[in-house]
Amino acid sequence: AQSVTQPDIHITVSEGASLELRCNYSYGATPYLFWYVQSPGQGLQLLLKYFSGDTLVQGIKGFEAEFKRSQSSFNLRKPSVHWSDAAEYFCAVGPSGYSTLTFGKGTMLLVSP
Amino acid sequence: EAGVVQSPRYKIIEKKQPVAFWCNPISGHNTLYWYRQNLGQGPELLIRYENEEAVDDSQLPKDRFSAERLKGVDSTLKIQPAELGDSAVYLCASSLIGGGGNEQFFGPGTRLTVL
Repeated sequence: AQSVTQPDIHITVSEGASLELRCNYSYGATPYLFWYVQSPGQGLQLLLKYFSGDTLVQGIKGFEAEFKRSQSSFNLRKPSVHWSDAAEYFCAVGPSGYSTLTFGKGTMLLVSP
Repeated sequence: EAGVVQSPRYKIIEKKQPVAFWCNPISGHNTLYWYRQNLGQGPELLIRYENEEAVDDSQLPKDRFSAERLKGVDSTLKIQPAELGDSAVYLCASSLIGGGGNEQFFGPGTRLTVL
């Protein structure tokens, strides 16, 4: 069975500092991996996705993520956080983007001035 | 291009009452998903449609939940009767298989509170 672990429930980062959100997955085959962001009262917005190829993927809003098969990880990074990045971030895995996705429990990002 | 539309955005009901949620996917999207998101959790799939066919409803509590997708476009999710544990955000998503994007687009959700 597929599963996703986001070990950090909350993370606080100072504005302008770098950010890394952790995601570990369990999946029996080559996974499709996703990072979504959810602002309060909003639906989920796709930040980036990985299917194959270059293990460093670029997304919207200056985010990037690196797929490491040996560590079963897909961590999300941003070099300089803005106050508007405060939101909840979800990592997800599935057999494709169209199939049933399994989401982690999310990491709430707080940005301090 | 309009996104996924859901209504109502908020609903408060008493337990044992029925409730229904409506979703209008992005125009042309052939696949529609209903997810439930409990507080402090990630979304969990309830049902997935490809056109009019429910291709994955393994996590749908069929004793009280039902869903339909009329003419392969709009969809309605119903709970009857509602229980306290059904309080959650119900998210609808859509995608276009074969469209190349390989991603799901989410609506804003319906927040259900059962008293």
